[in-house]
Amino acid sequence: DGGITQSPKYLFRKEGQNVTLSCEQNLNHDAMYWYRQDPGQGLRLIYYSQIVNDFQKGDIAEGYSVSREKKESFPLTVTSAQKNPTAFYLCASTFTYTGELFFGEGSRLTVL
Amino acid sequence: SQQGEEDPQALSIQEGENATMNCSYKTSINNLQWYRQNSGRGLVHLILIRSNEREKHSGRLRVTLDTSKKSSSLLITASRAADTASYFCATDLSGGGADGLTFGKGTHLIIQP
Repeated sequence: DGGITQSPKYLFRKEGQNVTLSCEQNLNHDAMYWYRQDPGQGLRLIYYSQIVNDFQKGDIAEGYSVSREKKESFPLTVTSAQKNPTAFYLCASTFTYTGELFFGEGSRLTVL
Repeated sequence: SQQGEEDPQALSIQEGENATMNCSYKTSINNLQWYRQNSGRGLVHLILIRSNEREKHSGRLRVTLDTSKKSSSLLITASRAADTASYFCATDLSGGGADGLTFGKGTHLIIQP
C-alpha cells in the first residue's frame, strides 16, 4: 500500500540531545514537508523540499535541520538549539501540481 | 505568514444535525483546502476548492468560497459520531502547494450520539 511512514511514533529526549525523526513515502511524490503542531494549535511549516538535494526553510526553521538525499526520504533533526521541542511533528508529501497534501501519522516528541 | 482562522474554535452538536465551520484568510489565494484530524493522528485531505470556484460538493461535505470576503465555509450534513474530529482550513498561495500550505488553528467538532 502506498503512503507515508513516520517513525518513531513516540520519542523522549533529554535536554541537550539531538534527535532525528524519519519520514519515508512510496507515493513517488516530488515535494515533502515537515510541520509542527502544538496543543490546540494549527500546523506551522518547518522545512520543505520540492526536489532531491534541495530544501527551503519554512516559518519556524530555527533549531531544526533536514536532508533530502533520496526522493522517498526527508528526515528531520531536532537539534539542541531548538528551545521548545516538545510537540507533535507531521510529515507530508504531494505532487507539486496538485496541491493536496498526504500526511503521515505523526511523531510525538517529549523533552524530559 | 498569512493564516486562515477557523470559527468557531469548538462546536458540539447532536448526531444527525448539520455542522458548519467557517474560515477567513488575509491575502489572495490559489486554492483553499479542508482537512480533518482525528485525535493524535495525521491530517486527512477532505476537499480542495480553487479561487475561481464558488462551491464544491463531496458526499456529505459542501464547501463554499467567497474570495471577495476572503472566507470559506465547510458544511457537514447529517453528522455522525465518526465525524468527531478537528477540521482545518489551509490556504495555498503559490499553486500546487509547492511552497507548503498555511493552516488555521482548527475547529474541534464533537458529535453527541
